[in-house]
Amino acid sequence: AQSVAQPEDQVNVAEGNPLTVKCTYSVSGNPYLFWYVQYPNRGLQFLLKYITGDNLVKGSYGFEAEFNKSQTSFHLKKPSALVSDSALYFCAVRVLRGANNLFFGTGTRLTVIP
Amino acid sequence: DVKVTQSSRYLVKRTGEKVFLECVQDMDHENMFWYRQDPGLGLRLIYFSYDVKMKEKGDIPEGYSVSREKKERFSLILESASTNQTSMYLCASSLLSLRGHEQFFGPGTRLTVL
Repeated sequence: AQSVAQPEDQVNVAEGNPLTVKCTYSVSGNPYLFWYVQYPNRGLQFLLKYITGDNLVKGSYGFEAEFNKSQTSFHLKKPSALVSDSALYFCAVRVLRGANNLFFGTGTRLTVIP
Repeated sequence: DVKVTQSSRYLVKRTGEKVFLECVQDMDHENMFWYRQDPGLGLRLIYFSYDVKMKEKGDIPEGYSVSREKKERFSLILESASTNQTSMYLCASSLLSLRGHEQFFGPGTRLTVL
């Protein structure tokens, strides 16, 4: 069965520093992996996805993620954090049933400290 | 831009009431989804639909039903609301495809059942 884990409930980082939000996955077959962001009182916004190809995927708002097959990880990264990046981040994996169903992690709250 | 709208941002209902949550998407997507979001649990799939009048149970369908009479509209129904259904409800849509198409989310409905 497909699943994802976000080991950190909360990540704090100083403005201007690099940030990493961690995600590990478990799938049978090739993984389709996604990152979403949720700002307060809003729905989820798509950031980026890995389907195939380059292990480094670039997405919206300067975010990128690195797919690492040997470590079964798909960590979200940004070279220089902004206060406006403070939000709830979700990793998701496509499940092999249904209609492009996604299984979501429990989320990581990122706080960027001015 | 894809737009997914939900009928209410905030809703307060009493135990035992029948509750309708409406979702409309404007991008002619085949797939539509209903999730609930709870702190520490992430997003959990309630029901999904890949075509008009088609519906499939997700991971937590108990206490809910859905209706999809038109392609653009997907309704979530709580037949008899209970306090444990107090939650944030998110609707999403996506293309029907074997590829990993991302889901697009509405702003959410925060439902409180008293």
